[in-house]
Amino acid sequence: AQSVTQLGSHVSVSEGALVLLRCNYSSSVPPYLFWYVQYPNQGLQLLLKYTTGATLVKGINGFEAEFKKSETSFHLTKPSAHMSDAAEYFCAVSDYPSNNNDMRFGAGTRLTVKP
Amino acid sequence: NAGVTQTPKFQVLKTGQSMTLQCAQDMNHEYMSWYRQDPGMGLRLIHYSVGAGITDQGEVPNGYNVSRSTTEDFPLRLLSAAPSQTSVYFCASSLDRVGGSEAFFGQGTRLTVV
Repeated sequence: AQSVTQLGSHVSVSEGALVLLRCNYSSSVPPYLFWYVQYPNQGLQLLLKYTTGATLVKGINGFEAEFKKSETSFHLTKPSAHMSDAAEYFCAVSDYPSNNNDMRFGAGTRLTVKP
Repeated sequence: NAGVTQTPKFQVLKTGQSMTLQCAQDMNHEYMSWYRQDPGMGLRLIHYSVGAGITDQGEVPNGYNVSRSTTEDFPLRLLSAAPSQTSVYFCASSLDRVGGSEAFFGQGTRLTVV
């Protein structure tokens, strides 16, 4: 089964600083990888996803992530943090297109943005 | 467009009580699923459905029951609530099986079992 490890349950950055949220995965099949964001008291919203093809994936709100097979990583970055980026971020791995219907989420990283 | 609607938003149950968490979507999605979110553990899949009349177990199905009589609705039943079921529950829907298309999540139901 797949698994995801998010390094750091809490990350704090200053407004305007680089955001780097780390995600490593394990999968026995070529992975589909995702980043979701959860704002307070809301459900999860898709930021970006990697399926096949280009390894640098751009998402909403200026976020991007790079799939590195050799490092089994899918780290999320944003060049300049904004106060509105404060939220919890989840990395996930799916075994699609197999029929196991299995997607595993990481434990989440809470991002705090200081003024 | 309402998307995925969950009710109730908050619920307190006594141990042994039963209840149903409601989930409805208006996007005509075939795939629906239920997750629970616990601190430090991310989201874990409870049950899912690939279409009306078809359901299957996820990672943590014990103590929960589901049915899918219509495309729109996917209720989650707690048969006999236990304190270990205290959690935030999310319903999600998508056009395709998990990972094949974007999943849309409801706002969650925060359940406390005392």
